[in-house]
Amino acid sequence: DAMVIQNPRYQVTQFGKPVTLSCSQTLNHNVMYWYQQKSSQAPKLLFHYYDKDFNNEADTPDNFQSRRPNTSFCFLDIRSPGLGDAAMYLCATHRRGAGDTETQYFGPGTRLLVL
Amino acid sequence: KNQVEQSPQSLIILEGKNCTLQCNYTVSPFSNLRWYKQDTGRGPVSLTIMTFSENTKSNGRYTATLDADTKQSSLHITASQLSDSASYICVVRGLSGGSYIPTFGRGTSLIVHP
Repeated sequence: DAMVIQNPRYQVTQFGKPVTLSCSQTLNHNVMYWYQQKSSQAPKLLFHYYDKDFNNEADTPDNFQSRRPNTSFCFLDIRSPGLGDAAMYLCATHRRGAGDTETQYFGPGTRLLVL
Repeated sequence: KNQVEQSPQSLIILEGKNCTLQCNYTVSPFSNLRWYKQDTGRGPVSLTIMTFSENTKSNGRYTATLDADTKQSSLHITASQLSDSASYICVVRGLSGGSYIPTFGRGTSLIVHP
């Protein structure tokens, strides 16, 4: 039973062409994260939502935006992808507060290729 | 600055052999440490979590240890299987300013050969 779903699993885009990655969760978790992971590197946090509160990491480029229209869905928008943005993008969720198991549940990731 | 260092960066072992992966951290104050397994092209999956008072935790053939005094953890894999081939990531959560954001290590890439 998939709990954190990411679509698509593979995305090919052209240099400078906007692209949107999506994440949905069935866990009803109040926190959702977006990470960028490049080969042989640790996942790098881009931003996260705690409920509707958006939290951007200081070094996340302006080229990356996010939307969370409701609890279940979160989107990553890359406005003008560059070659350096090719990576695996991981979505994760977490329940903060009552019943917090301090576990992040990750989706399978979307691998982005920029041509 | 909070940091998590893992070693070795990569490891190749024969099927059936044991191995131990290391994690050193500087996250302070410490809340918990978690080991994740990440298969190629997949998201990380939690293996174990340990808090300050725990010094060992097992999950099947995986055994994690924690020494909060020296800020070190290890993940021991017993009787390795081909399916253990993956990246193993150490993730530490601190209590800085009430932040719940964890710090990730770069992972150890394990290859198990038949």
